Amino acid sequence: GAVVSQHPSWVICKSGTSVKIECRSLDFQATTMFWYRQFPKQSLMLMATSNEGSKATYEQGVEKDKFLINHASLTLSTLTVTSAHPEDSSFYICSASSPGLGSTDTQYFGPGTRLTVL
Amino acid sequence: GQSLEQPSEVTAVEGAIVQINCTYQTSGFYGLSWYQQHDGGAPTFLSYNALDGLEETGRFSSFLSRSDSYGYLLLQELQMKDSASYFCAAPNPNRDDKIIFGKGTRLHILP
Repeated sequence: GAVVSQHPSWVICKSGTSVKIECRSLDFQATTMFWYRQFPKQSLMLMATSNEGSKATYEQGVEKDKFLINHASLTLSTLTVTSAHPEDSSFYICSASSPGLGSTDTQYFGPGTRLTVL
Repeated sequence: GQSLEQPSEVTAVEGAIVQINCTYQTSGFYGLSWYQQHDGGAPTFLSYNALDGLEETGRFSSFLSRSDSYGYLLLQELQMKDSASYFCAAPNPNRDDKIIFGKGTRLHILP
């Protein structure tokens, strides 16, 4: 149980284009989803917290107009990187938590999406 | 605020035992988690200690001492596949479902 999927697993795009990444909880309803970015050999950096049906809460320093997050249902959240630039190249990981899983102190991670912007 | 400190790298020999330490400073503390991440992969949950003591799950064990603001992950009978980064993490004291991660310990295993 507690499986989270992400799509695509990797994407290469040209500078200036937009990229959408999907995060789905497959066997549970996720009340909260999180989006992280991770650079090589570094820790996970939380970008935003997403709750179904409400606006995402962004961490300090994260541009909400550049990283658009939509949490349309209890099983799907999307992150759109708008007007991507090479410095946006990174590993983007989503995670989900739910009180139904016993505790919201544990997050279940998707497999990640590696974005390369040329 | 909350911060978690762990060594950046640890090296051990296949078949041996290794301990990865994590110390934390926090205005509120609810428990300590451990996650494993292989290169190119996503973190996977290993364990969560809400109470003091040792939790054992197969070859991996996790320990917490609230009085010492300290915990560790113990890996026994090391296998080459255990080469990965290990993150300690704790729920945000604000109880907003966020998790604060340490910077991670890269475990190198020698044959």
